[in-house]
Amino acid sequence: EIVLTQSPGTLSLSPGERATLSCRASQSVSSSYLAWYQQKPGQAPRLLIYGASSRATGIPDRFSGSGSETDFTLTISRLEPEDFAVYYCQQYGSSPRTFGQGTRLEIK
Amino acid sequence: EVQLVQSGTEVKKPGESLKISCKGSGYSFTNYWIGWVRQMPGKGLEWMGIIYPGDSDTRYSPSFKGQVTISADKSISTAYLQWSSLKASDTAMYYCATLRTYYGGCDYWGQGTLVTVSS
Repeated sequence: EIVLTQSPGTLSLSPGERATLSCRASQSVSSSYLAWYQQKPGQAPRLLIYGASSRATGIPDRFSGSGSETDFTLTISRLEPEDFAVYYCQQYGSSPRTFGQGTRLEIK
Repeated sequence: EVQLVQSGTEVKKPGESLKISCKGSGYSFTNYWIGWVRQMPGKGLEWMGIIYPGDSDTRYSPSFKGQVTISADKSISTAYLQWSSLKASDTAMYYCATLRTYYGGCDYWGQGTLVTVSS
């Protein structure tokens, strides 16, 4: 089973700043089958990025994904108030699919 | 518009059985995979398993194999997650989600079903 480790656990930033979230895999993620999700309190997760770098439908271009093999990054170029949430990475190239433990992005 | 509507909150006792549902609309139900995800109170997301309603091909995460059953009824565009004997540790929010391809992210999500198991 591929273990995904996200860092930092909590990230405190201000609106307008740049956020960089990391997801490290215990072994190579096949074909960059890596997704990022955003979850706000009381809501279901929302797909942001798939295939490591492709934005899902309707996702603003301030969200971008990069990386390959074992190191992946989600970048939010300029934080908007609505971006403060918990972010999860997920690999879906190997069975079982696994999620990272999440990064909480909070307002500083 | 793709929509997944899940059944409502459940409160059960340990040892009871339960089947929760996820009804899809706005897309071809038999052509998308449906996955199930658990979120225990205050915790992260856990992948449970996936089903292709077109032929009922089902794959379970090892952590959940034998603990739950995933099924689908394509005649009514509904997927199910069921337990034969609930435990207190099954208390969680359960989400269903669609995947357009097997090797894809979870595009659309249901609103979640809260299951509470308590004596």
